[in-house]
Amino acid sequence: EIVLTQSPGTLSLSPGERATLSCRTSQSINSYYFAWFQQKPGQAPRLLIYGATNRDIGIPDRFSGSGSGTDFTLTISRLEPEDFAVYYCQHYGTSPYSFGQGTKLEIK
Amino acid sequence: QLQLQESGPGQVKPSETLSLTCSVSGDSISSASYYWGWIRQPPGKGLEWIGSIQYGGNTYYKPSLKSRVTISVDTSMNQFSLKVTSVTAADTAMYYCTRGVSSPGAAGYWGQGTLVTVSS
Repeated sequence: EIVLTQSPGTLSLSPGERATLSCRTSQSINSYYFAWFQQKPGQAPRLLIYGATNRDIGIPDRFSGSGSGTDFTLTISRLEPEDFAVYYCQHYGTSPYSFGQGTKLEIK
Repeated sequence: QLQLQESGPGQVKPSETLSLTCSVSGDSISSASYYWGWIRQPPGKGLEWIGSIQYGGNTYYKPSLKSRVTISVDTSMNQFSLKVTSVTAADTAMYYCTRGVSSPGAAGYWGQGTLVTVSS
């Protein structure tokens, strides 16, 4: 099973700042099958990025994804108040499909 | 607009079977383009992919859950279902139904989720 490790566990930033979230996989994966999700309290996760770099419909362009192989990054260029949430990475190329443990982005 | 809505008992006794249904509106579950799946999240914890199904009957399950999980489709009702047998407290979680493309593990659309507690 491919293990996804996200860092940091918690990221404390202020609105307007830049956020950089990392996800490392235990073995190299096809970036076509890599995603980022956002989850706010009491809500279902929401797809932000698929194929490592493609924003889903309606996702603001301040969200961007990058990476390949075993190292992937989600960048939020300028944080808005509504961006403070938990973020999960996922690979969905080979079973069992797995998620990272999450990064909590909190207001500093 | 696609909407997914989970339904089922909020509490199940240990050793019994958990049964949930996902009602789909705004799209046909008969489309072969999509994977209809289930993901769960224990309270305060992360996400776990359970399995998915394609119209036509192809099913995909997490290996560690495969012996206890069944996912099926009811095209007449435009819904799909999840059954988990021999449940324990470890199966207590928010259960989400999803729709994805490109892979059995993809999850582009999510239902709002339903909490299932395993307790006597």
